[in-house]
Amino acid sequence: QQQVKQSPQSLIVQKGGISIINCAYENTAFDYFPWYQQFPGKGPALLIAIRPDVSEKKEGRFTISFNKSAKQFSLHIMDSQPGDSATYFCAASKTSGTYKYIFGTGTRLKVLA
Amino acid sequence: DAGITQSPRHKVTETGTPVTLRCHQTENHRYMYWYRQDPGHGLRLIHYSYGVKDTDKGEVSDGYSVSRSKTEDFLLTLESATSSQTSVYFCAIKLGGTANTDTQYFGPGTRLTVL
Repeated sequence: QQQVKQSPQSLIVQKGGISIINCAYENTAFDYFPWYQQFPGKGPALLIAIRPDVSEKKEGRFTISFNKSAKQFSLHIMDSQPGDSATYFCAASKTSGTYKYIFGTGTRLKVLA
Repeated sequence: DAGITQSPRHKVTETGTPVTLRCHQTENHRYMYWYRQDPGHGLRLIHYSYGVKDTDKGEVSDGYSVSRSKTEDFLLTLESATSSQTSVYFCAIKLGGTANTDTQYFGPGTRLTVL
């Protein structure tokens, strides 16, 4: 019940295309869903996050779509750029108690110029 | 970077030796976490702390211990390092107080190699 399943493992997209990464969770008590971006040799950095009271959140070229009934959420990167090439992690958390995160296994995105 | 530093940034050690990694924060936040990152596994929680001397185990705590004797420092110790503990270790904090958020902010990481 604690798993977060992320797919695909790797993704290659042409410059200007749309990158889509999907995550699914099991524990319905989770109420905070962040996405992290990580460049080689760096720590993960928060990209965008959503709570289950909304179905979509957009920040610039990055959008999270959230489907509470299906227990799924996805990251969409519009107009993908070579600078977006990085590893992306989804996570899920309960915003009470210890605030522990459960992370997905990551998606390595490569955007071709 | 939420004022998080990790030391050392790189370490090579031999099997059976003790190793201590340090996470330091400058802003007195209550919650701190240690993760390890391995290919195909994402980030997995080793131990976490919710205050001075208040710590608990995460999902991959075997072979690791932690200590938090003051708010700003969270130490991760490998009592007797094994090759399976070769990994990149990240510290994270959750901002509290007036900057309260549900987001965890990560340090730059420590790359540990156990030969």
